[in-house]
Amino acid sequence: DGGITQSPKYLFRKEGQNVTLSCEQNLNHDAMYWYRQDPGQGLRLIYYSQIVNDFQKGDIAEGYSVSREKKESFPLTVTSAQKNPTAFYLCASSIVRNYGYTFGSGTRLTVV
Amino acid sequence: DQQVKQNSPSLSVQEGRISILNCDYTNSMFDYFLWYKKYPAEGPTFLISISSIKDKNEDGRFTVFLNKSAKHLSLHIVPSQPGDSAVYFCAASGTGANSKLTFGKGITLSVRP
Repeated sequence: DGGITQSPKYLFRKEGQNVTLSCEQNLNHDAMYWYRQDPGQGLRLIYYSQIVNDFQKGDIAEGYSVSREKKESFPLTVTSAQKNPTAFYLCASSIVRNYGYTFGSGTRLTVV
Repeated sequence: DQQVKQNSPSLSVQEGRISILNCDYTNSMFDYFLWYKKYPAEGPTFLISISSIKDKNEDGRFTVFLNKSAKHLSLHIVPSQPGDSAVYFCAASGTGANSKLTFGKGITLSVRP
């Protein structure tokens, strides 16, 4: 079955540590995206990539980094520079002319 | 600057009645609109969409209406069921620089049995 997988589902991080969230898709989609969801804020775009080895900053990229070495994978690193990292993170993928995204089930990151 | 606005954060309706979820947008370059449904701790799932060349699209209990002149769309759910209780996101996209989906803040729908 085709789909998009995020892991882990829950992640705890100590302040000052970097942490990487995994996102893998087998839908053969060219484009991939990372969103952050906070209560009352909706879905805010962190980074996106429309092709391998290329990615663009979204609306709230500060404190985050990504890589796109393979079409199937788009990992997100939450660095210690991110001031408020506790949130629900969603990965999505689409065909390039994105009339619709397929979302993963999300990762809940908590800073302790 | 919020380009997709869902001004009502929540809506509560009785089971069997109609739910109307509203969405406004400001970017005239948007030409495709989607609604996503999201349960807690899960990713959003696609519900229904509409192209700007149409003013209505229907899929079972779900109908989306688009008023381009008012830059307004709405999602109607008839009849509402308790399983419809979720957060609903409105999203829009265009071409070129506007081709990424832009989401609203979402509205929490509660359907009372």
